[in-house]
Amino acid sequence: DGGITQSPKYLFRKEGQNVTLSCEQNLNHDAMYWYRQDPGQGLRLIYYSQIVNDFQKGDIAEGYSVSREKKESFPLTVTSAQKNPTAFYLCASRSESGNTIYFGEGSWLTVV
Amino acid sequence: AQSVTQLDSQVPVFEEAPVELRCNYSSSVSVYLFWYVQYPNQGLQLLLKYLSGSTLVKGINGFEAEFNKSQTSFHLRKPSVHISDTAEYFCAVSAGGTSYGKLTFGQGTILTVHP
Repeated sequence: DGGITQSPKYLFRKEGQNVTLSCEQNLNHDAMYWYRQDPGQGLRLIYYSQIVNDFQKGDIAEGYSVSREKKESFPLTVTSAQKNPTAFYLCASRSESGNTIYFGEGSWLTVV
Repeated sequence: AQSVTQLDSQVPVFEEAPVELRCNYSSSVSVYLFWYVQYPNQGLQLLLKYLSGSTLVKGINGFEAEFNKSQTSFHLRKPSVHISDTAEYFCAVSAGGTSYGKLTFGQGTILTVHP
């Protein structure tokens, strides 16, 4: 079935360590997005990519990095510079001609 | 820039009662409007969207929403809720063109349906 796969579902990280969250889609979508969700604050855009080898900062990009080497993959790295990384992270995608944004099942990151 | 305000953080309701979840937005440009539902520890599922045309939009699971441009609102309604509708609901807006897909979300409304 087509869809967006995020892994891992749950991840624990020690302070000072970088961690990479995976997002893979087999929908042949051009655009991909990373959102962060905190309780009571809705979702906020971290990074987005409209095409391969190109990406743009969203509203809260500090402490995060991304790459888009392949159309189907858009990994997010949470670096040690992110002051409060514990959150639920959601990946999304849409096609160039489509008007629906699809979301993955999310990844929980906890810093211990 | 856009912003979205969901006027109720929590809405309790009894099963088979009607419900309205309120959403107001502000934007300097024309926007597209969305309602998403999120069940615990899951991603977001699209309920409905307004892009153009009729201001009354019907979605999945019996939900509908009405776009009111003069009041900058996009309230979500369901005439009779079920226990299974218990979830968190998010209103979101997006500008058009290359900004389409860059969603600005409200803070969410937790709908709890009691038997």
